[in-house]
Amino acid sequence: NAGVTQTPKFQVLKTGQSMTLQCAQDMNHEYMSWYRQDPGMGLRLIHYSVGAGITDQGEVPNGYNVSRSTTEDFPLRLLSAAPSQTSVYFCASRRSSGAPLHFGNGTRLTVT
Amino acid sequence: TQLLEQSPQFLSIQEGENLTVYCNSSSVFSSLQWYRQEPGEGPVLLVTVVTGGEVKKLKRLTFQFGDARKDSSLHITAAQPGDTGLYLCAGRGDTNAGKSTFGDGTTLTVKP
Repeated sequence: NAGVTQTPKFQVLKTGQSMTLQCAQDMNHEYMSWYRQDPGMGLRLIHYSVGAGITDQGEVPNGYNVSRSTTEDFPLRLLSAAPSQTSVYFCASRRSSGAPLHFGNGTRLTVT
Repeated sequence: TQLLEQSPQFLSIQEGENLTVYCNSSSVFSSLQWYRQEPGEGPVLLVTVVTGGEVKKLKRLTFQFGDARKDSSLHITAAQPGDTGLYLCAGRGDTNAGKSTFGDGTTLTVKP
């Protein structure tokens, strides 16, 4: 059981470039979410999905897009990267609304 | 937005000492979870508490949920270097579609 898999592990972008952070889970979890983690600021929710075809915004959605075409995959897109998006990004999934989150190992993104 | 405040932000102690980490909010949570995160990895669930006044023990770790379900504490007895890591609390409200709000974390260093 792989759990939650994130790729790539590291990425460096120049300002204005676009990219997609991949997230896949093999636990058949309905709920998936993206967080960013910055020093001293804990984990902040970017976008989340309660099932295939359904997405919604979290605390800090600006500059990010998501889609959920399948239960397994929940990619995060940066359309025009900015230095303020330098962070560590975590994807997480959960079986139901009250269940604990299962996290991937993160993608460390640097925007220069 | 429901906020969670963790204290202390940093804690450095010697092996064998006891410590307590606090997680406080002005909001009521239907459940609260504690996670531990090691460098380069995603957070991993330690425990979930759901009932006001609940106490759960996990070997040398004791977790308590406040009677009013607004606060929680994590107590570690006889800390070991292997306890070193970032400890995060996360609360889930009753009406937020299963979204979890995270505290800013407590970075614990246990020196041998």
